[in-house]
Amino acid sequence: AQTIHQWPVAEIKAVGSPLSLGCTIKGKSSPNLYWYWQATGGTLQQLFYSITVGQVESVVQLNLSASRPKDDQFILSTEKLLLSHSGFYLCAWSLEAGGDQDTQYFGPGTRLLVL
Amino acid sequence: SQLAEENSWALSVHEGESVTVNCSYKTSITALQWYRQKSGKGPAQLILIRSNEREKRNGRLRATLDTSSQSSSLSITATRCEDTAVYFCALASSGSWQLIFGSGTQLTVMP
Repeated sequence: AQTIHQWPVAEIKAVGSPLSLGCTIKGKSSPNLYWYWQATGGTLQQLFYSITVGQVESVVQLNLSASRPKDDQFILSTEKLLLSHSGFYLCAWSLEAGGDQDTQYFGPGTRLLVL
Repeated sequence: SQLAEENSWALSVHEGESVTVNCSYKTSITALQWYRQKSGKGPAQLILIRSNEREKRNGRLRATLDTSSQSSSLSITATRCEDTAVYFCALASSGSWQLIFGSGTQLTVMP
């Protein structure tokens, strides 16, 4: 069975500090991977997607970057956090090509508070 | 303005009652998905309905799609306390990797 793991579970960081969030999918090869951001009580905003190792596409600019160093790993990072980066970060995976074909399976999320 | 919006910010019902969540959208789509997000968790897909389909069922759930009025509904029958969650519609278009989520409706099912 496939599993999706996100780390850390939660972070409290200072404005201007760096950040690295991780996501690992086990049990599926060559998944499509996605990063989402959700403000408290808000909707989900897709940030990045990746269909293969080393290739990442940006959907919206939030002073964040993403990388896919391995087939089963997706990393979200920034060198300088802003207050507006606070929220809930979700990693998701899918198998089929395109949102009209597939189900996206979400991880448990990382809650980030920037002070 | 948002491309997808649920028409109610919050709904509450008693266990056993039926409830409908509505979604309106403002762009061309090839599919619409309904997701449920329980407090502190990631969303989980409930139903995917394509633009050439008018209705889709999944157990106690029934989704409809009307592309002429650009609207969709998700009905839940025989509600249970564990149905308490935020319900999102999400838009998909052919050739696009992006899922556009609506603002969400908080459903509370009371005992």
